[in-house]
Amino acid sequence: GAVVSQHPSWVICKSGTSVKIECRSLDFQATTMFWYRQFPKQSLMLMATSNEGSKATYEQGVEKDKFLINHASLTLSTLTVTSAHPEDSSFYICSASGQGVGYTFGSGTRLTVV
Amino acid sequence: DQQVKQNSPSLSVQEGRISILNCDYTNSMFDYFLWYKKYPAEGPTFLISISSIKDKNEDGRFTVFLNKSAKHLSLHIVPSQPGDSAVYFCAAEGGSGGSNYKLTFGKGTLLTVNP
Repeated sequence: GAVVSQHPSWVICKSGTSVKIECRSLDFQATTMFWYRQFPKQSLMLMATSNEGSKATYEQGVEKDKFLINHASLTLSTLTVTSAHPEDSSFYICSASGQGVGYTFGSGTRLTVV
Repeated sequence: DQQVKQNSPSLSVQEGRISILNCDYTNSMFDYFLWYKKYPAEGPTFLISISSIKDKNEDGRFTVFLNKSAKHLSLHIVPSQPGDSAVYFCAAEGGSGGSNYKLTFGKGTLLTVNP
C-alpha cells in the first residue's frame, strides 16, 4: 500500500530557532500534500494544503510566514517552523494523496520548543 | 465551528462485544466520510470509508453506517478485540468554495477494549 514517511519523528529546539519537517511519499506521486497540527486530546487541525509546484493554501488563522511549506516535487513536501516559540510545541502530521491514492498519513513529528 | 463532532470522548467495551462509535456532521455538502484509527505519537491509519450515495459499507469486522437525513454516521466493530484499543477519528470530505478535497476531522473517541 501507499506509504508516507515523515521525518523527524521528534525534535527539540531552542526558542527562536527554525525547524524543518520532511514528508515523503515513498511509492506514489503525491500531487497534493496536507499539513496538520494536533494538540493533546484535540482534533487534527488542517494548517495548509499544497499542490506540487504551487504555493500552499493556508487555513484561516495559520501564519504563512511562520509555517513555511514547500512542495517542490511530487514526492517531497517540507514544513519549516520559523522562529519557533514554546506555543508552537505540538504534534505535526502530514498527509499525501495522488492519482488513485487516498489520504495517506505520515507518522507525525512531535515538536518541543524550549 | 465544529463541522464534524464526536461527542463521546471515550468508550469502553468488553472483548468480543460490539463497539459503536458515533459521528455527527453539520455541513450538508460533505459527500465522503472516513474513519481513522490512531495510536499515540503516530499518524492516523485509514480504516474504512463511505460515500454519501451509500448507507452502509462493510469490511471484515468494521461496518460504517451513514444516515444522511440525520447527518450521522457510526462505526461498528464486532467482535471487538483488545488490539482495537486506540483513538478513532471520523473525517469528512467535501464542502464548498474549492475545498472539496480536504478532510475535516472530529475530535476523536478513545476506545478501550477490555480483555
